[in-house]
Amino acid sequence: EAGVAQSPRYKIIEKRQSVAFWCNPISGHATLYWYQQILGQGPKLLIQFQNNGVVDDSQLPKDRFSAERLKGVDSTLKIQPAKLEDSAVYLCASSQVTGGSGTQYFGPGTRLLVL
Amino acid sequence: SQKIEQNSEALNIQEGKTATLTCNYTNYSPAYLQWYRQDPGRGPVFLLLIRENEKEKRKERLKVTFDTTLKQSLFHITASQPADSATYLCALGGNSGGGADGLTFGKGTHLIIQP
Repeated sequence: EAGVAQSPRYKIIEKRQSVAFWCNPISGHATLYWYQQILGQGPKLLIQFQNNGVVDDSQLPKDRFSAERLKGVDSTLKIQPAKLEDSAVYLCASSQVTGGSGTQYFGPGTRLLVL
Repeated sequence: SQKIEQNSEALNIQEGKTATLTCNYTNYSPAYLQWYRQDPGRGPVFLLLIRENEKEKRKERLKVTFDTTLKQSLFHITASQPADSATYLCALGGNSGGGADGLTFGKGTHLIIQP
């Protein structure tokens, strides 16, 4: 079975620019997560979707970050405008079930560098 | 605030020995705890899940223990091999309600198995 796909793999932008990341979860997985992983840290949850609805966005910096999953499959995470501290790897994960009994499958991540 | 602590320094183990990694947490009552492996440039890969009412889980050369009184999990790799060298992440989840099951990760322990 195909894994979680993410693009682009790398992105370099200047501060105050905008950037968008795309994620395609494993087929049939209803739950999708976006995590931010800063170098030397563990992943930090930004947002969780169940189908096309938001379950948890309590740690999403909503003044600059937005995410959507319009048709309940692919998802896009956007940063506008970017700051230097947004330099990180953005990981997308999906799960077949919601409620803790499911394994989360991670994509390879998008490495963002903000100059 | 919730805090997860893992061995912050790299752990060097000789091939064939048992590697033991520690995960301690505070200000959290997780419903379950997961361990992931992360290789450089890749997303985390799920290894094991243990629930709050379980004491121990095994999978091949891996063993996880979970002590909710001590607020600690131990992760063991027996008969360690150089291919086991990676960063191992501890993650807590559950009990957030509303279907929110995004994980809270520790910083990870970098394990090096020396031939």
